[in-house]
Amino acid sequence: NAGVTQTPKFQVLKTGQSMTLQCAQDMNHEYMSWYRQDPGMGLRLIHYSVGAGITDQGEVPNGYNVSRSTTEDFPLRLLSAAPSQTSVYFCASTTGRTSYNSPLHFGNGTRLTVT
Amino acid sequence: QQQVKQSPQSLIVQKGGISIINCAYENTAFDYFPWYQQFPGKGPALLIAIRPDVSEKKEGRFTISFNKSAKQFSLHIMDSQPGDSATYFCAARRGPNTDKLIFGTGTRLQVFP
Repeated sequence: NAGVTQTPKFQVLKTGQSMTLQCAQDMNHEYMSWYRQDPGMGLRLIHYSVGAGITDQGEVPNGYNVSRSTTEDFPLRLLSAAPSQTSVYFCASTTGRTSYNSPLHFGNGTRLTVT
Repeated sequence: QQQVKQSPQSLIVQKGGISIINCAYENTAFDYFPWYQQFPGKGPALLIAIRPDVSEKKEGRFTISFNKSAKQFSLHIMDSQPGDSATYFCAARRGPNTDKLIFGTGTRLQVFP
C-alpha cells in the first residue's frame, strides 16, 4: 500500500520555466489537495479537489493550475515559475466523507527551488 | 477569522519533561482540531485530534486540552523522548461540510537526552 506518492522529490527550475508536480494515491480517496510549506508560515492550501473533474482554489492559488481527470491523480502545474514559488510542496488526500476518522494522508513532498 | 495561531515557534525540552504547544483560533465554525507530527524529509502525519464538544483527549503520552470558551487548544507531550523531536502543526477544519484544513505555523520540538 503506497499511500500518497509524489514525484519528483527534488527539482530546480529557472525563472519562467514550467513544470508539473505529480501526485498519485492508491486509497480511492475522493478528496485531494496541494499545500506548500514555507518556514514560519506553516502549510498553506493551494488547490483542492473533492472528486474527479472538480477542483477549487485554496488560500494561495496564484501561479498554479490543477486538474483532476481521475480519482488517483492530482497534478500541480507551474506555468511560469517564479522565485517566490521556491518551497516544499505536499499533496494530501482523504476519503472525503468529512468524518472525524478520516485524516489527511500526506505524501513525502517535493522540494522545489526556482533560481 | 480563518487563522490558527500557534506558539511557540520552537521548543527545547529535556528528556522526561513536558512539552506544551498552544494554538488559538477565532472562527467558531471550526469543528475539528487535529494535530500533525512531521519528521524531517517526511510529510505530516496525524498524531491526535479532538472535537469541540470534548475538553480533553489522551492517547498515550499525548494529550489535547480544548477550551471552547477561550477558543484555545493545546498539545501536551508527557515524558518527552528524543524520538518526539519533530515539527508539530495544529489545524482546524472549517466546518462539517468540508475536508479543508487550516494549519498553524508549526512548532519545532527538540528533546535532548
